[in-house]
This record gives sequence, C-alpha cells and structure tokens, in this order.
Amino acid sequence: EAGVAQSPRYKIIEKRQSVAFWCNPISGHATLYWYQQILGQGPKLLIQFQNNGVVDDSQLPKDRFSAERLKGVDSTLKIQPAKLEDSAVYLCASSLVRRAGGPYEQYFGPGTRLTVT
Amino acid sequence: KNQVEQSPQSLIILEGKNCTLQCNYTVSPFSNLRWYKQDTGRGPVSLTIMTFSENTKSNGRYTATLDADTKQSSLHITASQLSDSASYICVVSPASSNTGKLIFGQGTTLQVKP
Repeated sequence: EAGVAQSPRYKIIEKRQSVAFWCNPISGHATLYWYQQILGQGPKLLIQFQNNGVVDDSQLPKDRFSAERLKGVDSTLKIQPAKLEDSAVYLCASSLVRRAGGPYEQYFGPGTRLTVT
Repeated sequence: KNQVEQSPQSLIILEGKNCTLQCNYTVSPFSNLRWYKQDTGRGPVSLTIMTFSENTKSNGRYTATLDADTKQSSLHITASQLSDSASYICVVSPASSNTGKLIFGQGTTLQVKP
C-alpha cells in the first residue's frame, strides 16, 4: 500500500513570498490533516478535512494560510505572505473515518521542510 | 503549560542498553494514548496505541505502559539498536473530541551510540 505523498520535500523562500505544498493521502482515507512542526516541538494541527469539508481549522492562521481539498482526495496548503516564524516542517497525514468506540490510525507523509529567509 | 509533557528532552545511550522515556499528561478524559517514532526527515510512525482501559502494550522491543490514575505513560526500549535513534513523541486523544484531535508532546530525542 502506498503511503502519504508530499511535495516538495524542501523549499526555501524569502519572507513575504508565497508558497504551496501538496499532499496525496492514502487511497480510501476520508480524513486528511495538515500539521506544522517547528524544530524541537511536536506537530501542531493546522487543519483537518473529512472528505471535502473542513472539520477543524481553529489553529490555522487564516490571514496568511489557506488550504483546500479537491474532490476529497489531494490537498494543497498555501502560505501568503510567508513570515520568518513559518519556518517549519509541514506534515500531511490521513486516516480512515473513525469507527465508533475504537481508535484509528493516522499515517504521516515525510513532510515538507520550509525555510523562510 | 503543555497538556502533554515528555522527559527527558534528550537522551544518549549505548547500543544494547535499555531506556525508559516518560510522558505526563493533563488531558482528561482521554480515549487513547499513543507513542510515535519520528526518524530525522520523516513523518511520525505509530508504535503503540493504548485505550484508557489498557495498562500495557508491546511492539517488539518497545513496551508502553499507562497509569491513568497518575496520568503517566512510559515507553521502554529493550536492547537498543542504532536504528532506534529518533525522536519519540507521546500523543493523547481527548475523549471530548469527535474529530479525532490529537495532542502531541514535544518529543524525546534518543541517540544510540555504538
């Protein structure tokens, strides 16, 4: 089974520029997550999709970050304009729809390392 | 204050030795607690998942324990190998969340030396 794919793997931009990241989840996974992981910290959820709809975007800085999930499959995360503090690894994860009464598994992609100079 | 705190922040051990990583959490009630392994430059990979009613869960040389009364979990690694060098992250899923939200600790960085 293919895993979660992300691209690009690395990106270096100057502050105030824009950048976009792409994620292809595991086939059949209805739920997709974008996380931000700053060096030395655990991942922080930015946005969660279930199929096409947004389930949780409470920690997404909406003034500069946006995300969409096309046709309930691939997703893109965009930052415009970027700030120095956006330097981090952006992780995409996917999971099956949660089954009542049981835990489910989130599968992570390799991440995109963003450096803002 | 973080809801999931891990210690130590980093650890260096010799190959073949055992080690134990600690996780204290305040998330309550919770539905499950997980330990993830994150190799450098890769995404986290699940090692164990324990529901609130489980006390221990093993995955090969990795054994996780859970004490829901003291709100503590530990991850014990037996007979460490060089490939165990990674960051280990404790993650708690709040029972109140119907969206599967996960709360991550900051991780413990383990370095296994030959």
